[in-house]
Amino acid sequence: AQSVAQPEDQVNVAEGNPLTVKCTYSVSGNPYLFWYVQYPNRGLQFLLKYITGDNLVKGSYGFEAEFNKSQTSFHLKKPSALVSDSALYFCAVRGQTGANNLFFGTGTRLTVIP
Amino acid sequence: DAGVIQSPRHEVTEMGQEVTLRCKPISGHDYLFWYRQTMMRGLELLIYFNNNVPIDDSGMPEDRFSAKMPNASFSTLKIQPSEPRDSAVYFCASSFGSTNEKLFFGSGTQLSVL
Repeated sequence: AQSVAQPEDQVNVAEGNPLTVKCTYSVSGNPYLFWYVQYPNRGLQFLLKYITGDNLVKGSYGFEAEFNKSQTSFHLKKPSALVSDSALYFCAVRGQTGANNLFFGTGTRLTVIP
Repeated sequence: DAGVIQSPRHEVTEMGQEVTLRCKPISGHDYLFWYRQTMMRGLELLIYFNNNVPIDDSGMPEDRFSAKMPNASFSTLKIQPSEPRDSAVYFCASSFGSTNEKLFFGSGTQLSVL
């Protein structure tokens, strides 16, 4: 079965510093991986996806993610954090049926400290 | 486009009552998903439809839950009878195609069963 794990419930980072939100995956077959962000009282918003190709994927709001097959990881990164980046971040993997049914990790709450 | 529209935004009901959550997907999207979010279990996929047909309902917790999609622009998730453990935020999401496109989420329905 497809699954992702987010080992950190909470990540704190100072404004202007680089940030990393971790995700590892377990899949059968080729992984289709996603990052979504959730702001308070809102639905999830798509940030970026990895399907194939370059291991460094660029997404919305200056975020990027690095796919590492040997470590089965798909960490979300940003070179310089903003206070407005504070939110709940979800890693997700596509299900096996070939459709867009995504299975999400438990989420990591990012707090950027001014 | 107004995005995915869910109603109501908040629902408070008493145990044993029937609850109906509603969703209008983005026009032209052929996939519709129902997710449930709780602190304990995170985001769970309940059921998804393709072209109004239920494809996978393995995430539906039990027979008290049912979902329908009578046409391309409307879906309902019904809980009858409701129980306090059903309290959660229920999200509807839609997408177009099965080529790993992103999901668009509604703002969710906050359900409280007393």
